[in-house]
Amino acid sequence: QKEVEQNSGPLSVPEGAIASLNCTYSDRGSQSFFWYRQYSGKSPELIMFIYSNGDKEDGRFTAQLNKASQYVSLLIRDSQPSDSATYLCAVNFLSGYSTLTFGKGTMLLVSP
Amino acid sequence: GAVVSQHPSRVICKSGTSVKIECRSLDFQATTMFWYRQFPKQSLMLMATSNEGSKATYEQGVEKDKFLINHASLTLSTLTVTSAHPEDSSFYICSARVGTGGRTEAFFGQGTRLTVV
Repeated sequence: QKEVEQNSGPLSVPEGAIASLNCTYSDRGSQSFFWYRQYSGKSPELIMFIYSNGDKEDGRFTAQLNKASQYVSLLIRDSQPSDSATYLCAVNFLSGYSTLTFGKGTMLLVSP
Repeated sequence: GAVVSQHPSRVICKSGTSVKIECRSLDFQATTMFWYRQFPKQSLMLMATSNEGSKATYEQGVEKDKFLINHASLTLSTLTVTSAHPEDSSFYICSARVGTGGRTEAFFGQGTRLTVV
């Protein structure tokens, strides 16, 4: 059973703080990892993807991947109230052609 | 990013009728599209994988005769909810991946809010 685990939250941070969202996955052979943001009532939108161990930065977002620990995270610097949403971690398991497996998502609340 | 267009965004239908939802990739060819369902405050649940020119692959527990999927071209997949019932009310979202293989991101349509009364 391929699994992607996320803390459901909510994770509450004050405006301007760093929000740290975590995700673990069960298949050591997983290839690629994605973070999506989903506002209430809307469909998910891609924020970042990461394939290699280490950090990948894009603006205020940093994705971190540690394949040995089977762990991927998303850091949001200078959090804004508009960042309040549910963040979905998605993993492409090696044996699953083109199919992404999603975690249940972590709700982030950024207070002004 | 790539654009996936889904229509309609909202639909209300009577119990027992059928509803068709369209998913189009506007600026790329999508060999594979995915259909998800999402109930309130829950995560995405993959219903089926739709491959152009072949039968869809349904996830366990999803009735293929109730949720008809047609992927007639590289840019269009449709999901028809047949004989809809109130318990089918949900948020249906399609997705397409650009290219093949593991290192390709998925883009989502806007979603369709289905309400069966």
